[in-house]
Amino acid sequence: GAVVSQHPSRVICKSGTSVKIECRSLDFQATTMFWYRQFPKQSLMLMATSNEGSKATYEQGVEKDKFLINHASLTLSTLTVTSAHPEDSSFYICSAHRGGYEQYFGPGTRLTVT
Amino acid sequence: KQEVTQIPAALSVPEGENLVLNCSFTDSAIYNLQWFRQDPGKGLTSLLLIQSSQREQTSGRLNASLDKSSGRSTLYIAASQPGDSATYLCAVPLSPDKLIFGTGTRLQVFP
Repeated sequence: GAVVSQHPSRVICKSGTSVKIECRSLDFQATTMFWYRQFPKQSLMLMATSNEGSKATYEQGVEKDKFLINHASLTLSTLTVTSAHPEDSSFYICSAHRGGYEQYFGPGTRLTVT
Repeated sequence: KQEVTQIPAALSVPEGENLVLNCSFTDSAIYNLQWFRQDPGKGLTSLLLIQSSQREQTSGRLNASLDKSSGRSTLYIAASQPGDSATYLCAVPLSPDKLIFGTGTRLQVFP
């Protein structure tokens, strides 16, 4: 149990376009989902916390108008990178929290902006 | 502000060696500590979770210890194998649900 999926696993887009990444908890309902960003050879940095039915909470320094998060149901959160630029190229990982202190991580999405 | 660091940053060892990876955190008031494994270009696999009341957890060849008072945790890998090659991350919760990750240790085990 406790499987989290992400789609797509890889995406290449042109500068100026928008990209949507989905995060799904497959076999449980997630009270909270999290979005992380990871640059090459660096650790994960929390971008935002997503709660179903309410606005996401963004970490300091993360532009909420650029990284739109929607948590439409207890099993789905989406991250949309708007007007993507090459510096947005990164590895994006989501995780889902179902209570307690343990989080379950998705396999990640590699975004490349050309 | 909680900061989590890991040493060494990278480690390359021959197969069969026993390894110790270190994780330090600045605020000892933690709920738990988790160790993760990340393969290149992949997500995270949870290895071990130690509750704040515990001193260690074991899973197969892995043993993680926790010393809250000194702000340290170690991950011991016995009889390392090439398949253990990955990046190992420790993480502590900033709140019941926000995780702060360490800087990671990139491990390579060669045959």
